Amino acid sequence: QKEVEQDPGPLSVPEGAIVSLNCTYSNSAFQYFMWYRQYSRKGPELLMYTYSSGNKEDGRFTAQVDKSSKYISLFIRDSQPSDSATYLCAMSGLASGTYKYIFGTGTRLKVLA
Amino acid sequence: SQTIHQWPATLVQPVGSPLSLECTVEGTSNPNLYWYRQAAGRGLQLLFYSVGIGQISSEVPQNLSASRPQDRQFILSSKKLLLSDSGFYLCAWVTVRAFFGQGTRLTVV
Repeated sequence: QKEVEQDPGPLSVPEGAIVSLNCTYSNSAFQYFMWYRQYSRKGPELLMYTYSSGNKEDGRFTAQVDKSSKYISLFIRDSQPSDSATYLCAMSGLASGTYKYIFGTGTRLKVLA
Repeated sequence: SQTIHQWPATLVQPVGSPLSLECTVEGTSNPNLYWYRQAAGRGLQLLFYSVGIGQISSEVPQNLSASRPQDRQFILSSKKLLLSDSGFYLCAWVTVRAFFGQGTRLTVV
């Protein structure tokens, strides 16, 4: 079983739609949960960062973490063509004495004008 | 503020040639530095990480090596490139969050 599972997409939505991106993970030691956005031929950039369970909102973006289900989500409201990118989930924590930082494979999102 | 410099941005190399990619960090000391490779349509594969000068941990056995000659410098190398080494290479400074360089797109021909 992979430590992090993420649907690679591509996911195509019309402009203005609500987008839901998700990841599941298996290691309960993870405590920090991140979402990165990566435009084509660029390095990933941090979008959202959450510690432990709960919701965090930043403008049109909302990150949710459910540690009991080992499930994290990113919601994008009023999606725009400029949101078209690959979105990678990531999580980190101390596991068996080693600090681990794991990325999902990324979901390609296309927002159609 | 923290800045990561990674170069070159694009590289085309013949099979069997050597490789040296450099990453430097500004705005911090003793950073945890990581090298990732991202193949087309795939996720980030951790190659090496370093917690300090001369300290290198390898995650995946392969044709590559890494070195940390200075506190804020991290180098990815190969003596002889293979076609399978093609990909997008990313250097990252990792704390709780990861800050990435802009990446090097390597094509081995």
